[in-house]
Amino acid sequence: AQTVTQSQPEMSVQEAETVTLSCTYDTSESDYYLFWYKQPPSRQMILVIRQEAYKQQNATENRFSVNFQKAAKSFSLKISDSQLGDAAMYFCAYRPYNNNDMRFGAGTRLTVKP
Amino acid sequence: DSGVTQTPKHLITATGQRVTLRCSPRSGDLSVYWYQQSLDQGLQFLIQYYNGEERAKGNILERFSAQQFPDLHSELNLSSLELGDSALYFCASSVVGSYSPLHFGNGTRLTVT
Repeated sequence: AQTVTQSQPEMSVQEAETVTLSCTYDTSESDYYLFWYKQPPSRQMILVIRQEAYKQQNATENRFSVNFQKAAKSFSLKISDSQLGDAAMYFCAYRPYNNNDMRFGAGTRLTVKP
Repeated sequence: DSGVTQTPKHLITATGQRVTLRCSPRSGDLSVYWYQQSLDQGLQFLIQYYNGEERAKGNILERFSAQQFPDLHSELNLSSLELGDSALYFCASSVVGSYSPLHFGNGTRLTVT
């Protein structure tokens, strides 16, 4: 079974600075997809960024980027120029190719200090 | 707005009771997923339906069941409720294809007293 591990239950960052959230996963598949979701206090689940495993280039979305290390099965999220609105729970998720099932890590709670 | 509608938003019921949670997926999405999120925890995958058929099953209790109807809306039935079933239940939908993200509804907050 595939598992997703987020080893940092909580992180904090100063406003305007950069923070990196860690995620590792366990799989025997070669093709799969990885996602980061954000859950603010409203409890909505919001897609932040996604990565295809067969692409070596790291995905970026404005201030959000990933560091995807396939051999190490690592998928970290970097948030640059952190803003107060970035404060939320962040969940890493894994989805195998040809399988619609998506599995989530336990989450990292990010606090942004003004 | 994700386009996924969940009703009701809140549900308070007693132990031993049975409830039904409803989900309408985004227009055009054939897959519906149900997740359970207990307080300050991650999302536990329960079950997935694709175009009316069960596609994948996660850690869903035997007391729980779900179905997807011809109009693609889905219902999650929870019976013989226990205190530990109190949680936020999310429905999500997606188009076919693993690169497609899941679009989540706002969840149903279930409180069992």
